[in-house]
Amino acid sequence: QKEVEQNSGPLSVPEGAIASLNCTYSDRGSQSFFWYRQYSGKSPELIMFIYSNGDKEDGRFTAQLNKASQYVSLLIRDSQPSDSATYLCAVNMFSGGYNKLIFGAGTRLAVHP
Amino acid sequence: NAGVTQTPKFQVLKTGQSMTLQCAQDMNHNSMYWYRQDPGMGLRLIYYSASEGTTDKGEVPNGYNVSRLNKREFSLRLESAAPSQTSVYFCASSSKTDTGELFFGEGSRLTVL
Repeated sequence: QKEVEQNSGPLSVPEGAIASLNCTYSDRGSQSFFWYRQYSGKSPELIMFIYSNGDKEDGRFTAQLNKASQYVSLLIRDSQPSDSATYLCAVNMFSGGYNKLIFGAGTRLAVHP
Repeated sequence: NAGVTQTPKFQVLKTGQSMTLQCAQDMNHNSMYWYRQDPGMGLRLIYYSASEGTTDKGEVPNGYNVSRLNKREFSLRLESAAPSQTSVYFCASSSKTDTGELFFGEGSRLTVL
């Protein structure tokens, strides 16, 4: 079992809809969770991070964390064609006081006009 | 404002040849990482260096060696390249005390024939 699992997609949504991206992880001791966005041919960039159970909102993006279920999600409201990218979930397997991020395979999102 | 700089950006090797990927960061970060990215596999951690003078294996270390030359530089060496090492390689860095966010270089595309 991979440490971080994501549905590879593609997830196709119409412009203006809500896109829902999901991620599960295996290490119950993980404390911090990240969503990165990666456009084709580019390097990943951080969208959001979340530490606590519940929701965290930033503009059109909402991250949701449920540690009991080992589940992280990202909601994108009012999806735009510019949101079309691969979204990578990452879990910090914090080791010896230092960050060690393990990534899922990514979910490809396509927003069509 | 360079951030994380990787060289070379593109390289073609023949099976059995050796090469070194160079990475340097100017953000005074303690930790540095090498990831590889293959289609459908997301980012996989090869090696990381939590701080100057230390290196540790990640998820897929076989066939690679690393050197943390100083706080700024972290190199990845392929001693005898194999076609299975054809990939895009990303170097990243992070601070010990921040959120765990990784700052990525632009990537190095390596093809082994």
